[in-house]
Amino acid sequence: EDQVTQSPEALRLQEGESSSLNCSYTVSGLRGLFWYRQDPGKGPEFLFTLYSAGEEKEKERLKATLTKKESFLHITAPKPEDSATYLCAVPNNSGGYQKVTFGIGTKLQVIP
Amino acid sequence: DTGVSQDPRHKITKRGQNVTFRCDPISEHNRLYWYRQTLGQGPEFLTYFQNEAQLEKSRLLSDRFSAERPKGSFSTLEIQRTEQGDSAMYLCASSLGADLYEQYFGPGTRLTVT
Repeated sequence: EDQVTQSPEALRLQEGESSSLNCSYTVSGLRGLFWYRQDPGKGPEFLFTLYSAGEEKEKERLKATLTKKESFLHITAPKPEDSATYLCAVPNNSGGYQKVTFGIGTKLQVIP
Repeated sequence: DTGVSQDPRHKITKRGQNVTFRCDPISEHNRLYWYRQTLGQGPEFLTYFQNEAQLEKSRLLSDRFSAERPKGSFSTLEIQRTEQGDSAMYLCASSLGADLYEQYFGPGTRLTVT
């Protein structure tokens, strides 16, 4: 069964203090990995898709990287508006893309 | 561009009552998914439609739960004889294509069973 583990569960940063969130996964045959941002009481908002090990993608202060065993979401000089829960997810590998397994997320708080 | 919409946004019901939620996906998306999310957890997959066909259901989806997607457009999720353990955020997502495409989520329906 696919498993996704995110760490830390919660992270508190000062504004401008860069850090990284980790997502490790156990899948037989990685087909890709997704990162989402979720604000309280709202649905997840798509951020990135990473398709293969070595791939990197950037969006504003966020940069996602992927290796064969884990993914990192690097946050450079965060601002209070970056406060949210960041979720990673992997698609099921059993021939389709019908099911996605999510981690529990990292709750990020950026303090002014 | 209209995103995924869900209705209602909040629902409070008494234990034993039936509830129905609606999801309108992004218009050109042929794949539609339902998830359930409880506090402090990631979304858990419930079921999936490709057009009007329900192709996969999680074992989390007990026989009290039923989902439909008539004509391959909007979808409904019904919970019969609600229990307090059904209290959660119910999320709908849609995606385009037959391969690895990201899913776009709606705002969710928050269900509280008293």
